[in-house]
Amino acid sequence: DAKTTQPPSMDCAEGRAANLPCNHSTISGNEYVYWYRQIHSQGPQYIIHGLKNNETNEMASLIITEDRKSSTLILPHATLRDTAVYYCIVRSGGSNYKLTFGKGTLLTVNP
Amino acid sequence: DGGITQSPKYLFRKEGQNVTLSCEQNLNHDAMYWYRQDPGQGLRLIYYSQIVNDFQKGDIAEGYSVSREKKESFPLTVTSAQKNPTAFYLCASSRVDFFAPEAFFGQGTRLTVV
Repeated sequence: DAKTTQPPSMDCAEGRAANLPCNHSTISGNEYVYWYRQIHSQGPQYIIHGLKNNETNEMASLIITEDRKSSTLILPHATLRDTAVYYCIVRSGGSNYKLTFGKGTLLTVNP
Repeated sequence: DGGITQSPKYLFRKEGQNVTLSCEQNLNHDAMYWYRQDPGQGLRLIYYSQIVNDFQKGDIAEGYSVSREKKESFPLTVTSAQKNPTAFYLCASSRVDFFAPEAFFGQGTRLTVV
């Protein structure tokens, strides 16, 4: 699986949009971009994933660049409960089901 | 409700003892995973399994063992050979198909070895 690079930490004001970047310059054509988040001392929670098109669900939006070498997770109106570590992961489907996490980005939402 | 259950939430053991962490899922998922997390660190993959009676070593398998006798169960044994067993352990499961579906995680077991 391709490696990902994320900033170690970011801050965001409550009510504003949080934009979390991820670089995955070695991504291959069949690899998906996934985002998870982990609130302190809990299991990670799936947020969203995509292949090449932008995706949106009730939690967030995922913007993938045209060359697929980077992506941005957008939380449109961050709340204090969005404070967590956010992990960007690249993973292929089919028989290669291994799921590898990096260190992620600690997002702190401030009042 | 469907999900993954890890038990117990907190576990204390004396040094030199083996300990087994339980992970059960009722999501009918083929793949299951075990991760270790140390304070301030990301998740590191210990073992993973796609099918009953088959499993693969992850990045930090030394000192650990697993079994997959049933599709819904993937217990992890932390052996006395694991030098630093105190950590937060997370189990996950997922389907295995071409479209790489998301994984679901349990709430973790915090193991303390004294």
